[in-house]
Amino acid sequence: EAQVTQNPRYLITVTGKKLTVTCSQNMNHEYMSWYRQDPGLGLRQIYYSMNVEVTDKGDVPEGYKVSRKEKRNFPLILESPSPNQTSLYFCASSLVGQGINYGYTFGSGTRLTVV
Amino acid sequence: AQSVAQPEDQVNVAEGNPLTVKCTYSVSGNPYLFWYVQYPNRGLQFLLKYITGDNLVKGSYGFEAEFNKSQTSFHLKKPSALVSDSALYFCAPRAAGNKLTFGGGTRVLVKP
Repeated sequence: EAQVTQNPRYLITVTGKKLTVTCSQNMNHEYMSWYRQDPGLGLRQIYYSMNVEVTDKGDVPEGYKVSRKEKRNFPLILESPSPNQTSLYFCASSLVGQGINYGYTFGSGTRLTVV
Repeated sequence: AQSVAQPEDQVNVAEGNPLTVKCTYSVSGNPYLFWYVQYPNRGLQFLLKYITGDNLVKGSYGFEAEFNKSQTSFHLKKPSALVSDSALYFCAPRAAGNKLTFGGGTRVLVKP
């Protein structure tokens, strides 16, 4: 089944403790992206990657890092989480070029709470 | 820069009545427009898209959307709403470079 898999689904952590949220897709998509969803703000892009070893900042990159060493994986790293990073996070992937016409495929989300 | 507006935070409709969720956008060049739906505790699911051609686009679950270039709108519609249509709906124009920009979302509540 074609899908984007995020782990974990739920995570409670303490301020300052480094964490990684994993994202993997099995569709050979070039493009991958991370969004955070907050009430009233919709989805805001954190980082994106157009292909392996190519990453760039989205609209709200502060406090986050990403890497794209393999085409299928796009982990989101919080080096020193803070309470304002408590949010619902989504990973998404898509083809590029003509393939973007099919939109994004989203993961099921990771609900992160930083206390 | 592109932007999208969904003017209603919530839309309430009785089951069987028509449903409309409004969206206006601002993009440079030809717009590529998408609608996504999010059910509770789930990720976003693709509903429909406008790329080019007919202004009335049909999508999943009986939804359709009308592209209006002069009004820069892309309203989502369903002729007869179901209770199971209750969800959060997002309009998203696509920018150059593959990025989808999401509106704040509109919560739809369909009452029996």
